[in-house]
Amino acid sequence: DQQVKQNSPSLSVQEGRISILNCDYTNSMFDYFLWYKKYPAEGPTFLISISSIKDKNEDGRFTVFLNKSAKHLSLHIVPSQPGDSAVYFCAASFSSNTGKLIFGQGTTLQVKP
Amino acid sequence: GAVVSQHPSWVICKSGTSVKIECRSLDFQATTMFWYRQFPKQSLMLMATSNEGSKATYEQGVEKDKFLINHASLTLSTLTVTSAHPEDSSFYICSARDLRLVPRTGELFFGEGSRLTVL
Repeated sequence: DQQVKQNSPSLSVQEGRISILNCDYTNSMFDYFLWYKKYPAEGPTFLISISSIKDKNEDGRFTVFLNKSAKHLSLHIVPSQPGDSAVYFCAASFSSNTGKLIFGQGTTLQVKP
Repeated sequence: GAVVSQHPSWVICKSGTSVKIECRSLDFQATTMFWYRQFPKQSLMLMATSNEGSKATYEQGVEKDKFLINHASLTLSTLTVTSAHPEDSSFYICSARDLRLVPRTGELFFGEGSRLTVL
């Protein structure tokens, strides 16, 4: 049972344009969501997070939107840069105090120069 | 940010042997560390929670006798894959939380991962 789903395995965008990565979840008890970036043969690195009490969190070029009624979150990267090319995982947890994260399958983003 | 380091990065072993992977928090103490596994083109799956000074907590379906976890100090957790078989070949990643940062972000810091190939 995949509780966190990233239905798009891959995404390709042009440099300078917006990248939008989507994530859906099924468990309404999740109250904390995170996005991680991962390069091959490396561990994930944290990008941005959002609590369920918010609907938007912004950090530089990265913005995460949360739509609780739709059980959907998205990561916007503006403007996209070639260095952003990586696999992006969304993750959910039941609390910001837990290390147990439920990951989506990941979306491979390619930003073309 | 906080740094978590794993060793070795790559390991190849023969079927039936045991392999130990180390996870260290380099600039913070971690009473709890987490071990994840990633199969090719799949998501990261939590295997177990490593607790300093006590037994690890395993997720459903993970064999505790096969994946031995020891968390002997506040900066070191080890995962030993015992009697490894080819189906154990995977990317193993540990993570930890720096409680100095929590609850600001709740983020986990991940190690570089260890690629295990069992022949």
